[in-house]
Amino acid sequence: EPEVTQTPSHQVTQMGQEVILRCVPISNHLYFYWYRQILGQKVEFLVSFYNNEISEKSEIFDDQFSVERPDGSNFTLKIRSTKLEDSAMYFCASGPQRTEAFFGQGTRLTVV
Amino acid sequence: QKEVEQDPGPLSVPEGAIVSLNCTYSNSAFQYFMWYRQYSRKGPELLMYTYSSGNKEDGRFTAQVDKSSKYISLFIRDSQPSDSATYLCAMRSNNAGNMLTFGGGTRLMVKP
Repeated sequence: EPEVTQTPSHQVTQMGQEVILRCVPISNHLYFYWYRQILGQKVEFLVSFYNNEISEKSEIFDDQFSVERPDGSNFTLKIRSTKLEDSAMYFCASGPQRTEAFFGQGTRLTVV
Repeated sequence: QKEVEQDPGPLSVPEGAIVSLNCTYSNSAFQYFMWYRQYSRKGPELLMYTYSSGNKEDGRFTAQVDKSSKYISLFIRDSQPSDSATYLCAMRSNNAGNMLTFGGGTRLMVKP
């Protein structure tokens, strides 16, 4: 069964560094998303991406964050100048249409 | 008032029991309702998706939506120890935008 794959599974970075989280969405899906889940808290929406551009973003998704779909298969989330409070599980998701979202297993980001 | 609320549990039931999981919400614009299962430190797995009001059944799972009460439910029949996980409800409106709003999740434990 096709699935969303994310790498790395765990990333440790020093405060102030830049990180890139990578995702391979399910083939033929058109909608792509990033969500995050701080330990013990709700899953929170960050950004959605459709037709090679951001279609919606939350207040969390400020200038520190950016997304790219550099080729036909990858979808990346870049976090610049990481802060301690950026530590969370970051989930990539994709969907064939707007209605459903299938999630990857997540990247656990630890900022030290 | 929080936008989507779930009792965090834990809900502990014996194997074979019928489980009822619920969410309430405040935004009357929500039209699409999803249930996800999340195992510890894993990504949310889509179980059920319904549009507007009514019931939907898939195997041992039944999803119900009552928009007049702003209340959704997931029933699990013949519960198994492997059903032990956190169950997240998620919803979105029909307006422009793909953002899912999640509840905080209910932790379910099914004891053999």
